[in-house]
Amino acid sequence: QVQLVESGGGVVQPGRSLRLSCAASGFAFSGYAMHWVRQAPGKGPEWVALISFDGSNKLSADSVKGRFTISRDNSKNTLYLQMNSLRAEDTAVYYCARDVRGYSFFDYWGQGTLVTVSS
Amino acid sequence: EIVMTQSPATLSVSPGERATLSCRASQSVSSNLAWYQQKPGQAPRLLIYDTSTRATGIPDRFSGSGSGTEFTLTISSLQSEDFAVYYCQQYDNWPFPFGQGTKLEIK
Repeated sequence: QVQLVESGGGVVQPGRSLRLSCAASGFAFSGYAMHWVRQAPGKGPEWVALISFDGSNKLSADSVKGRFTISRDNSKNTLYLQMNSLRAEDTAVYYCARDVRGYSFFDYWGQGTLVTVSS
Repeated sequence: EIVMTQSPATLSVSPGERATLSCRASQSVSSNLAWYQQKPGQAPRLLIYDTSTRATGIPDRFSGSGSGTEFTLTISSLQSEDFAVYYCQQYDNWPFPFGQGTKLEIK
């Protein structure tokens, strides 16, 4: 069965960096675009970034552009999110999610990893 | 940028009754609209995509309708497991925003 397992979250000071990982299993990871979606406490989800199946195309939200970088390693079935210059407003649960048909909606989600940016 | 607005914010309905949730887009998103269900401590779960297509394993008491800017999720006969928060999401245009959610609670 499809599984997405995020890791790497934690408490970090403003301005510092963190790298999230998402280990995928149960499907042909290299054949799917993948996304990061975050959800701040008590808020709706917010799309963060996407990467094409082969890593050649990337897109991100304006709120993270220039600070966050999405990447993938298809040999390891793993998705990454490098987060630099973190701000308090980046505090959220971060989910990796599988794309459907290249249309940027999501049929499988991980359980999420909490990132808290606080001094 | 497209803004998604859901109403009402909270909906109180008795088990066995019908629930109707609304989602409005600030500009047309064609039929590129999905609905998700989220329970406390869990990730969102895809219910409906392409406005009216049920995702795999979703019971037929869930149905979606609409087009352009106005969309509706209907749950025909509420079961106890349906009480949750529901989000709509448009995927017609970057940055693929979600609505703020409708909390469906037991009356």
